[in-house]
This record gives sequence, structure tokens and C-alpha cells, in this order.
Amino acid sequence: GENVEQHPSTLSVQEGDSAVIKCTYSDSASNYFPWYKQELGKGPQLIIDIRSNVGEKKDQRIAVTLNKTAKHFSLHITETQPEDSAVYFCAAADSGYSSASKIIFGSGTRLSIRP
Amino acid sequence: EAGVTQSPTHLIKTRGQQATLRCSPISGHTSVYWYQQALGLGLQFLLWYDEGEERNRGNFPPRFSGRQFPNYSSELNVNALELEDSALYLCASRKDRGDLSSEDTQYFGPGTRLTVL
Repeated sequence: GENVEQHPSTLSVQEGDSAVIKCTYSDSASNYFPWYKQELGKGPQLIIDIRSNVGEKKDQRIAVTLNKTAKHFSLHITETQPEDSAVYFCAAADSGYSSASKIIFGSGTRLSIRP
Repeated sequence: EAGVTQSPTHLIKTRGQQATLRCSPISGHTSVYWYQQALGLGLQFLLWYDEGEERNRGNFPPRFSGRQFPNYSSELNVNALELEDSALYLCASRKDRGDLSSEDTQYFGPGTRLTVL
């Protein structure tokens, strides 16, 4: 079945440094890749997403890259700040109602920013 | 615009009891998804409802069930509760016009934390 692998499971970086989280997916039909941030006691919040017709997308300090051939996609956070500390989930989905539009989530990365 | 809302915030039950969790989607969203998030683990897909019908379910036993009402709100029922059902239950909504776009992303509620004693 479809699978999304996410690494690392935990990541600790110094404030101001960059953080990178990587995911791989198995379903070649996947064409939509959202990233969610979950803070303690809250539900996941969408922070950025990318489609398969785009290789890179950036939003301020956050960027996502996609290598569809290798089935890899990554989240890059630059100039990390304490408020970036959270659990981050990657996900992969294929569009289309007939496919049940089910999003497959990675297992999550707990990011800690050291002051 | 109000986000996805869930109630109750916390729910404490004992083994064998039944739990009912509720979700109200974002206005204009027709699809509701339910996920289970056990402590320290990722999101496990439970159920997907759209236009009042169950469209898909994850690998969970039949004692996990639910429904979607005409106003698109949804209810998740868990019968014969077991200790391992203790988890955060998340609801997400989506417009579901048949094609994924940024506007059709799943938006999550804050969750209901279910504790089974």
C-alpha cells in the first residue's frame, strides 16, 4: 500500500540555524504534498504545500523541494526561531475523487530549537 | 472565517463504554475526515465522509463508526472502548470538489483527547 517515510524522527538545532526534514513516498500517482506543523495540544496546521508540477516553493523562512523522479520531498526552515519548535508532518496525496482523496501522512519529526 | 471545531475537548471513559465525538467543518466544506493520533505516534486515518456518506475507512475495527449530518457536521462513535483507544482524535474538513488544490487542503480542528481508564 501507499507509504510515506519521514526522517529524522527528532531534530534539535541551534536558534538561527537551518532545519531540514526529508520524506519519501511510494505511490507514483501522488501529486500533492502538504506539510503540517503541530504545536503541543493543538491540531496540525498547514504551513506550506507543493504540487508535482512545481520543483520548489518558498514562503518566507520556509521552503519545500520536490524530486518527483526520486519520490523525495523536503522541508527547509531557515533562521530558526523558538516558535518553530513543534512536530512537523509531511504528507502525500493523489488528487481525484475516485482515488478517495486520502492523504498519507509521514510519522512526524519533533523539532526542537535550542536557544 | 471560523475553523474546524471539535467537542468535547477532553473525554474520560472507562473500558467497555461508548464515546461520541463531534466535529463541525469549515463553512462550505462538504468532506470530513477523522484521524486517530496515539501518544508519540503519527496520524492514522479512520474515516472519510462526504455528502452524508462514508466514502472510505482506514484499518480500524467496526466498533469505530460515525456519520455525517445534512449540515456536514460529523460524529465519531467508538463502542466497547478499550484502553488502547486512548488518543487524540482529530477531525479535518475539505471542500472536496473532486480535485486537490491548495484551496481543497484538509484543515484540522484542535482534537478531542479521549482517555480510557
